[in-house]
Parts: sequence; structure tokens; C-alpha cells
Amino acid sequence: RKEVEQDPGPFNVPEGATVAFNCTYSNSASQSFFWYRQDCRKEPKLLMSVYSSGNEDGRFTAQLNRASQYISLLIRDSKLSDSATYLCVVNFAGGTSYGKLTFGQGTILTVHP
Amino acid sequence: EAQVTQNPRYLITVTGKKLTVTCSQNMNHEYMSWYRQDPGLGLRQIYYSMNVEVTDKGDVPEGYKVSRKEKRNFPLILESPSPNQTSLYFCASSSADRGNSYEQYFGPGTRLTVT
Repeated sequence: RKEVEQDPGPFNVPEGATVAFNCTYSNSASQSFFWYRQDCRKEPKLLMSVYSSGNEDGRFTAQLNRASQYISLLIRDSKLSDSATYLCVVNFAGGTSYGKLTFGQGTILTVHP
Repeated sequence: EAQVTQNPRYLITVTGKKLTVTCSQNMNHEYMSWYRQDPGLGLRQIYYSMNVEVTDKGDVPEGYKVSRKEKRNFPLILESPSPNQTSLYFCASSSADRGNSYEQYFGPGTRLTVT
């Protein structure tokens, strides 16, 4: 089983739609969680960190469920500019591994007119 | 401007010819890391460094070396490149403390082809 798993998609949605991505992780000692966005052939950029209480940034909402070991990203009112690959990132901490980050393979989102 | 720079951006080389990809950051970050990205496999961590003279293996360290002699630089060395190291490589940096990683800033990527 992969340490971090995402549905690769692609998700094709019309403008204005609401879309949700899930990401599961296998190591219960994981401490930090993030969603990154990557445009084609570009470097990944932080979209948002994910906190235990859940957090929202405009049209984007991230949730963490430690009991079930998954995080989610919800995008409301999708825009054409939201088209990208969304990467789930988990920081496993423990012993000497406190710097080890594991990325999911990414979920491709395409928003069409 | 805060940034992570990588050089070269594109490189085509032959099997066995040693090469170094440089990475430099100007944000005084403690943490630096190298990743490779391959279709269907996503980003995989090669090596990371929590501070000067402190490096550790990521998920796919075989065939790579790194060094962290200065805080701002974290070069990636391929002593004897092979075709399976053809990939898109990203360097990243962040501030960090034990157990927590903060926002990672990525360099623009280096596309390496080994023939």
C-alpha cells in the first residue's frame, strides 16, 4: 500500500461546480498535512496547510480526519484557473524522520466552460 | 525576491558522466530537499537536509549524493548517471523545526535526460 494515496482522476467539471478530492495516508504518526497545486511543467506551490480543526481559504476548504487517516480538499464555485494537479503532502515525524515528506501522485482537475 | 534557483534548467547527458545540479535559496531556510517527478509516480523525495552538515535519505536515494556545506546551497550529485535517472528534478526549501515542516518553496525544476 502506498504511504499517501490519491485518486489520480482526471476530474472534469464545469465552471461553478463543487469538487472534492480525498487523500489517504498510512502512517498514523504523520504530523503535518498540506495541499499543493502544480500547473503543467511548473513547480508545486502551497495551496493550504491542513489543520485538525479544518480550515478554509476563500473557495477552498481542507479537512483532516486522523481517525480514518485521510485529508480532503473541497473547491467551491470552480474557476477555469483552478485547472491544475493537486498534490496531497504528508510529513511523517518520528525518530530521525522528522524531515521526510511524502507526496501523493496528484489529482488532475480540469475545469471547462 | 525570495526564491529557490536551480541550474541547469535542462540537461542532456550520457550514461556515466558525472554531473551536479545546483540549488540555492536566499531565504535563510534551514530545511532543503531534492525530489524527482516521474509520470504516474508523482514527486518522490531523494534526500533532505535539516541544516548545515545534516543530510538524510528520502525514499529514492540510490544513485544520488548531496552535500550541505553552506545553509543556502544544496547540490545534487549524480556520480554515474543512468537512463533510469531521466526525470524532472525539483529542489525545495522551508523553515522548519523538529517534527514540523512549513511551506516548501520549490525551484523551477531541472529536466534531465540521460542517454
